[in-house]
Amino acid sequence: SQQGEEDPQALSIQEGENATMNCSYKTSINNLQWYRQNSGRGLVHLILIRSNEREKHSGRLRVTLDTSKKSSSLLITASRAADTASYFCATFRRGAGGTSYGKLTFGQGTILTVHP
Amino acid sequence: DADVTQTPRNRITKTGKRIMLECSQTKGHDRMYWYRQDPGLGLRLIYYSFDVKDINKGEISDGYSVSRQAQAKFSLSLESAIPNQTALYFCATGTVNTGELFFGEGSRLTVL
Repeated sequence: SQQGEEDPQALSIQEGENATMNCSYKTSINNLQWYRQNSGRGLVHLILIRSNEREKHSGRLRVTLDTSKKSSSLLITASRAADTASYFCATFRRGAGGTSYGKLTFGQGTILTVHP
Repeated sequence: DADVTQTPRNRITKTGKRIMLECSQTKGHDRMYWYRQDPGLGLRLIYYSFDVKDINKGEISDGYSVSRQAQAKFSLSLESAIPNQTALYFCATGTVNTGELFFGEGSRLTVL
């Protein structure tokens, strides 16, 4: 089963507006990551937030993490048509002992459309 | 050149045929993964490998096999393809500490 669930499934906005996507998960994590996928292309890593962090910024991206609510949000400010893509959250949980397989589990994604 | 290269990028085949998807990487990572993407289902892990001698099943390994020929090469095989294996397949490499993944551009497989 998928660890992360994203909301909304699809989001349509005008250029210049902000876009907010949410991710909820079920178990404890070591970090949470956001990825972007242009249509039919590979996923590209955007940003990683550790479980002991609450907020992180990277350019026009702002990610928050609330481990008590097991949720995260990705905010894209001043959106551009080029931001049109699918956005996935992925939760990482390190295996026992720290060196064994750390499981990265993806949500189903939010499709963002930014209209010029 | 791309850090993670997948071949072929597109393949159409018939039910019962054997198919191999290949992946090579220049990132020097030990960890390599094969994922499958279906509309509305996100990415699901098929197999993963920590090094040449280490192969592990993921969530949906039935009907698939893999081979880690070298640190930089990881191939996925469908011994007898069936239509519900029609999907977009991604190879990825990863780091030990954070789990951050680096993806190839994908191989679109259609099984008729």
